[in-house]
Formats: sequence, structure tokens, C-alpha cells
Amino acid sequence: DAKTTQPPSMDCAEGRAANLPCNHSTISGNEYVYWYRQIHSQGPQYIIHGLKNNETNEMASLIITEDRKSSTLILPHATLRDTAVYYCIVRVVSSGSARQLTFGSGTQLTVLP
Amino acid sequence: DAGVIQSPRHEVTEMGQEVTLRCKPISGHDYLFWYRQTMMRGLELLIYFNNNVPIDDSGMPEDRFSAKMPNASFSTLKIQPSEPRDSAVYFCASSFWGAAQETQYFGPGTRLLVL
Repeated sequence: DAKTTQPPSMDCAEGRAANLPCNHSTISGNEYVYWYRQIHSQGPQYIIHGLKNNETNEMASLIITEDRKSSTLILPHATLRDTAVYYCIVRVVSSGSARQLTFGSGTQLTVLP
Repeated sequence: DAGVIQSPRHEVTEMGQEVTLRCKPISGHDYLFWYRQTMMRGLELLIYFNNNVPIDDSGMPEDRFSAKMPNASFSTLKIQPSEPRDSAVYFCASSFWGAAQETQYFGPGTRLLVL
């Protein structure tokens, strides 16, 4: 699976959009970009994933550049409960098989009141 | 659904004792994963099962660790004998192939402290 690079920490004001970047310059054509987060003392939580198109769900938006070498997770209106470590993971999704998630060190997002 | 259930939530034991961690995956999921999280190594996969069969156990640190999945609704991770370096948070996760490209759902974890 491709390696990802994320800033170790970011701050965001409550109510503002949080934009979390991820670089994955060695991504292959069949690799998806996944985002998970881990709130302190809890298990990781799935947020969103995508292949090449931008994606949006009730939690966040995922913007993938045209060359797919980087992406940005957007939390449109951050709240204090969004304070967590955010992991960007790139992995192949093969028909009929499952592969583990390889977690890097992630980005510690702190939402400030 | 109650989500992935793990027990116990906390475990304190002495070096040399046997430790058994338990996991109940989400009903209908056919993949089950055991992860371990430490400050030094982060989150790392230990083993995963598909339809109750172990598929990849290359992450199991040594023979002291063993995992079983006797049926679709239950799995155990056993450490015997336990050592202080096994202190970590152990997470169980499950997924269903075909739904949202294998989104994994994690349990709350078991915090293990080996004295």
C-alpha cells in the first residue's frame, strides 16, 4: 500500500472548517484513500473514502487532486468533539479479499473554543 | 446493532499470567481483525480472520500470542504467559466485504496492563 504523509498536528477554531491534508504521491491506480479518526480512549472510527472523485457524507468531504497524489479531508463546521487523531490511509481494495488498515502517525486535530 | 463488543474493557495482571481478550463482531460481518496500539508502535495489525478462518497472522509478535474464532460471533486473543511489554490497548474490528469497500468498525478496545 502507498505511504502517506500528514502534518503531526493542526488547530482549528470551533465552528470553522477544518482542512486536513494528506500526501500520497506514490498512490497506484487501484488504491483508495480512506480517512479514519480516533478520539481519545476510543477505537478508530471510519469517516470517508474515495478513489478519484470528490466524496461527501454526513461527517465530512474528501477532495482528491486530479493526479491523486494528495487529498484533503474537510470537516465543514468543526466542533470540540471533532478533536481527535485523523489517519489518512491508502490501500488496495481487491474483489473477494480484505486487507488490514495500515495506520501511520496521523494528524492530531485540536478544535479550540 | 450494538457494534463491536470487547471484554474486558480493562485488565490488570501480573507477569506470567494468562490473559484472554474477547470480541463479538457485528452480526453478519465476515472479517474480524485484532489490532494492538502502543505509544511506541502505534496501531498495528496482529491477525485477521475471514469466515472464522485465520488468513494472516504475520503480525502476531510471538508464540505467546494465539487467536481463535470458533464461530462467526466470537473471537479470543490469548497471551500466555504475559509480559510487561504486552501492555497496550487491544482493538477488535469487523467488516463485511461488499459493503462500502470493507469499512472496518472498531470496538472500544481492551486496556491491558501487565505488571
